[in-house]
Amino acid sequence: AQKITQTQPGMFVQEKEAVTLDCTYDTSDQSYGLFWYKQPSSGEMIFLIYQGSYDEQNATEGRYSLNFQKARKSANLVISASQLGDSAMYFCAMRDTGRRALTFGSGTRLQVQP
Amino acid sequence: DGGITQSPKYLFRKEGQNVTLSCEQNLNHDAMYWYRQDPGQGLRLIYYSQIVNDFQKGDIAEGYSVSREKKESFPLTVTSAQKNPTAFYLCASKGGLNEKLFFGSGTQLSVL
Repeated sequence: AQKITQTQPGMFVQEKEAVTLDCTYDTSDQSYGLFWYKQPSSGEMIFLIYQGSYDEQNATEGRYSLNFQKARKSANLVISASQLGDSAMYFCAMRDTGRRALTFGSGTRLQVQP
Repeated sequence: DGGITQSPKYLFRKEGQNVTLSCEQNLNHDAMYWYRQDPGQGLRLIYYSQIVNDFQKGDIAEGYSVSREKKESFPLTVTSAQKNPTAFYLCASKGGLNEKLFFGSGTQLSVL
């Protein structure tokens, strides 16, 4: 069975600083995909970034980058130049190959302070 | 604009009552999903459907039922057998080669 672990229930960061949100995963699949979603207080889930297990480069999307370390089974999200609007819950997720669904971690609540 | 519409935004259930949450998508996606989110926790898979007229149980299907009679629609019924239904329910869809899930805005279900 696949498992996603996010060990940081909450994080604080000063505006304009960078922050790293941790995610480790466990899977026996050779091919897999890793995702990060943002959930503001309104509740909708916003896709941020995707990393395929065979991608040679770490994924980047604007201020978001994914620090993918395959041997360590980690897929940490790095947010550069934090903004007040980045305050939200952040979820790491993995593609469940058999069910073609996503398995989610428990999330990290990020609060950006002015 | 294409997207996923969930209704209602808020729903209240009385003891012993069945309630149905609506999920409609106009993205022409084949696969649709229902997730449950409890306060401060991650999303757990209730049911999923890869194609019309077919659906599978997820990790927490007990007390829930679904149907997939049309490609665009995937309603979720919370039955009286679900003893702790208070949660935030999210519907999602996925299509083609795109790996990511597209989500609706969610329904908050509470028990009166």
